[in-house]
Amino acid sequence: GQNIDQPTEMTATEGAIVQINCTYQTSGFNGLFWYQQHAGEAPTFLSYNVLDGLEEKGRFSSFLSRSKGYSYLLLKELQMKDSASYLCAVVDSNYQLIWGAGTKLIIKP
Amino acid sequence: GAVVSQHPSWVICKSGTSVKIECRSLDFQATTMFWYRQFPKQSLMLMATSNEGSKATYEQGVEKDKFLINHASLTLSTLTVTSAHPEDSSFYICSARGLQGYTEAFFGQGTRLTVV
Repeated sequence: GQNIDQPTEMTATEGAIVQINCTYQTSGFNGLFWYQQHAGEAPTFLSYNVLDGLEEKGRFSSFLSRSKGYSYLLLKELQMKDSASYLCAVVDSNYQLIWGAGTKLIIKP
Repeated sequence: GAVVSQHPSWVICKSGTSVKIECRSLDFQATTMFWYRQFPKQSLMLMATSNEGSKATYEQGVEKDKFLINHASLTLSTLTVTSAHPEDSSFYICSARGLQGYTEAFFGQGTRLTVV
């Protein structure tokens, strides 16, 4: 079966750095997305990785290792508004999005 | 980025009635639209995938006669929850994919359905 694993919840301090990991086992791979979702709202796109390596976009970076079935989302200079759920989603061989359960990130002052 | 508009944002209906949710792609042609349901503190659950002009493909466990999906044009898909019951209360979200092949999924704002 297809499976995506992320931690259920993480806590970090304002101004700090946090890394949210995502491991996956899917039938084929055509890219990995990270989305941010605030409570009661639809997800918003953060990043897309299809090749190995690090993609940096402002305070957010995303890393992918296809051989290890592993990705992480790195958030720097955390702000209170970063408190949200972060969803990892993998595109499988049929170009279907397989969603992780999401990681709830709690930012403390 | 591309815009997907979903309407209504929230709706309260009586048990036994039907509710229609619209999903429109405003600045691109959506060949494929996806309908998700999300219960509190849970991840998105794909309900069905619809391609313009053809019947929707429903995920296992989703009743096609209860959740009617119509994708009549490249910019509009609708989800109708028929004979709604309190257990259908949830957050329903649509997303769309364009003609240019696989791109990031663009999401509507979501619809909070409460059945009383």
